Amino acid sequence: QLQESGPGLVKPSETLSLTCTVSDGSISHSNYYWGWIRQPPGKGLEWIASIYHSGSAYYNPSVQGRVTISVDTSNNRFSLKLNSVTAADTAVYFCARLDYYYDKGFDIWGRGTLVTVSA
Amino acid sequence: AIQMTQSPSSLSASVGDSVTITCRASQGISTALAWYQQKAGQAPKLLIYDASTLERGVSSRFSGSGSGTDFTLTIRSLESEDFATYYCQQFNRYPMTFGQGTRLEMK
Repeated sequence: QLQESGPGLVKPSETLSLTCTVSDGSISHSNYYWGWIRQPPGKGLEWIASIYHSGSAYYNPSVQGRVTISVDTSNNRFSLKLNSVTAADTAVYFCARLDYYYDKGFDIWGRGTLVTVSA
Repeated sequence: AIQMTQSPSSLSASVGDSVTITCRASQGISTALAWYQQKAGQAPKLLIYDASTLERGVSSRFSGSGSGTDFTLTIRSLESEDFATYYCQQFNRYPMTFGQGTRLEMK
């Protein structure tokens, strides 16, 4: 299971910080990457970033330069930081497991957390 | 970035019908494609991966096919629980990209 946590309201120009806690399994399992995907209200899905337990990370160019993904293997969790947010960053943010070993895509998802950017 | 284009954007059908959704990639992605189902207020659910492999626990009424640039998701004998939005996603190359979604509505 995956569970997102973090503030539901962030002010413009500030930093959005979210954490995803992984239960029922190790974040260090060799088959998996871990990722963040977001969905603005009423719109489609956008992949933001993915990370391996070693720290190897990939970012979407649409947010690169503003985003950092990190992993905390000791606590079985990974995190997202997105700085200089604007109203366009308002979205439901999902964390998910990417099974790259079997080329499965994102096979387990958190329930998502709505982050609103507003003063 | 590889663009994923789904068609149609929306679709009306009745219980018992069969429907097909198409996903086209702007460049070849082999079979590195997944299909997801998303219901309102829920996270997406993986249905199909590797273009045609049914995820464990998913009804056999769902099937996928294709390789390269053209892919299809077929749902046969629609049930009420199938009315949702469907997304394709490529993971052949970063950045991973999703189609814009196909909303399947009850007629």
